[in-house]
Amino acid sequence: DSGVTQTPKHLITATGQRVTLRCSPRSGDLSVYWYQQSLDQGLQFLIQYYNGEERAKGNILERFSAQQFPDLHSELNLSSLELGDSALYFCASSQQDRGEGYTFGSGTRLTVV
Amino acid sequence: QKEVEQDPGPLSVPEGAIVSLNCTYSNSAFQYFMWYRQYSRKGPELLMYTYSSGNKEDGRFTAQVDKSSKYISLFIRDSQPSDSATYLCASRSGGSYIPTFGRGTSLIVHP
Repeated sequence: DSGVTQTPKHLITATGQRVTLRCSPRSGDLSVYWYQQSLDQGLQFLIQYYNGEERAKGNILERFSAQQFPDLHSELNLSSLELGDSALYFCASSQQDRGEGYTFGSGTRLTVV
Repeated sequence: QKEVEQDPGPLSVPEGAIVSLNCTYSNSAFQYFMWYRQYSRKGPELLMYTYSSGNKEDGRFTAQVDKSSKYISLFIRDSQPSDSATYLCASRSGGSYIPTFGRGTSLIVHP
């Protein structure tokens, strides 16, 4: 167990729907990072939050949004889902806002049908 | 062209072999280099973290960076079936704390 908790582990939903993925970082970690992993694109950075504030943004679609709450857990919201959004979504955390070696969670496998 | 390239494999070796995993990168600003190991149905875990060129050793693992050729290597000595996983290399510049990942190389170590 890495200490980063992601729920749910699996999610199957229909096109056009909206889902929320949840991440609890390791105790003491202030930064949360969201990644999408697919076979053709590999691990793609989506967005980073540090102590509740957005710190960096990657290739995140406008249909996707995230936030980090005062208790430091984070949620990734995916809306108007398309078949191509099917992927593994990972959350990682680190103590500071610098990515000096993340700790990843086990991911949420999203299948859009 | 992706900034960090890896051969997806799979690379299949017998137990006890020396494994060489490689990456190339295109961004001259990259100064920090990482190797992650990812088991099936798990998140990546950090194996090695190096700065600039040179070698770094940790147990059976050695990371090597050649900035002149933009080449990153991970060597695994005395490979074990438990080393079977996907290995991701990643790099970042000094000005960005977000690394760019390669797509990973699948390694299979058979008994």
